[in-house]
Amino acid sequence: RKEVEQDPGPFNVPEGATVAFNCTYSNSASQSFFWYRQDCRKEPKLLMSVYSSGNEDGRFTAQLNRASQYISLLIRDSKLSDSATYLCVVNMALADSWGKLQFGAGTQVVVTP
Amino acid sequence: ETGVTQSPTHLIKTRGQQVTLRCSSQSGHNTVSWYQQALGQGPQFIFQYYREEENGRGNFPPRFSGLQFPNYSSELNVNALELDDSALYLCASSAGTGYEQYFGPGTRLTVT
Repeated sequence: RKEVEQDPGPFNVPEGATVAFNCTYSNSASQSFFWYRQDCRKEPKLLMSVYSSGNEDGRFTAQLNRASQYISLLIRDSKLSDSATYLCVVNMALADSWGKLQFGAGTQVVVTP
Repeated sequence: ETGVTQSPTHLIKTRGQQVTLRCSSQSGHNTVSWYQQALGQGPQFIFQYYREEENGRGNFPPRFSGLQFPNYSSELNVNALELDDSALYLCASSAGTGYEQYFGPGTRLTVT
């Protein structure tokens, strides 16, 4: 089983619609969580950190469910510029306390006019 | 822009050769992590350097090695290149281990 799993998609979303997708992680000791977006052939860019209480940044909302070991990302009022691959990232904190970021393979979102 | 730079942007090498990739971290960051990203995959962790010491390593063979310098810039060295080493190599800097990481634009390595 992969340490971080994502639905690869693509999620085809009409402009203005809402899309949501999840990511599951295997290590219950994971301590921090992030969403990155990656455009084709570019580097990943930090979209948002995910906090235990859930957090919102404009049209983007992230939730964490520790009991079920998943995080989610919801995009409201989708824009064409939201088309990208969204990478779920988990900090696999280990006994010696250093942080290794484990990336999922990404969920592709395609926003259509 | 993150302020993280990498060089070169593209590189073509032949099997068996050696390569050195370079990364300058964002001002104020003391931690650099290196990742390999194959086409269609998420970045795979190679290793991390914190204050000039290797601070963790992923499942990569010893022919992948690195350095971090006093100014926190870093190098990734790969010996005895194999065709499967063809990938985008990303470095990311952060203010410490476990913090948000900010990526450079990457070096695209092609091994023929």
